[in-house]
Amino acid sequence: AQSVTQPDIHITVSEGASLELRCNYSYGATPYLFWYVQSPGQGLQLLLKYFSGDTLVQGIKGFEAEFKRSQSSFNLRKPSVHWSDAAEYFCAVSVRFGNEKLTFGTGTRLTIIP
Amino acid sequence: DAGVIQSPRHEVTEMGQEVTLRCKPISGHNSLFWYRQTMMRGLELLIYFNNNVPIDDSGMPEDRFSAKMPNASFSTLKIQPSEPRDSAVYFCASRGTSGQETQYFGPGTRLLVL
Repeated sequence: AQSVTQPDIHITVSEGASLELRCNYSYGATPYLFWYVQSPGQGLQLLLKYFSGDTLVQGIKGFEAEFKRSQSSFNLRKPSVHWSDAAEYFCAVSVRFGNEKLTFGTGTRLTIIP
Repeated sequence: DAGVIQSPRHEVTEMGQEVTLRCKPISGHNSLFWYRQTMMRGLELLIYFNNNVPIDDSGMPEDRFSAKMPNASFSTLKIQPSEPRDSAVYFCASRGTSGQETQYFGPGTRLLVL
């Protein structure tokens, strides 16, 4: 079965600084990969997804993520964070072709300081 | 597009009472998912439906939980009898038929069982 690891439970960055959130997955082949964001008291919003092709994917709100097959990673990046980016971020995977379950990581809480 | 609609948004009940959570998926979507989010266990898939048919209910915690999807535009998750350990946020998500494997989440129902 597939699994997702987000090694950082909580990250604090200054507004305007760059951000990288780590995500590693375990699966025998290349899964579908996703990043979702959850603001306090809200549902999950899709930031970006990778299915195939270009390994650098662009998402909403200025986020991007890079799929690295050799490292089984799908790290999320943003060059300059804004106070409104404070939220919880979830990496998720689903198996291709037939298994529609999304398996989520435990999430990374992002705090932005002025 | 109204997005995934869940009701109620908040529910407070007493142990032993029946709880019914409701979900209206995005029109045209043919897959529906119920998730539970807790601090201890994170986001867990409870059950999902394809074309109104339950496909995988292995995540349903026990017989006290049941889910139905009588038509393409409505699903319920019922807990009877409820217990304090059922306190969580319950999310519904739906997915379309484009093969792009993207799930769209509702705002969630925050359940507190006293």
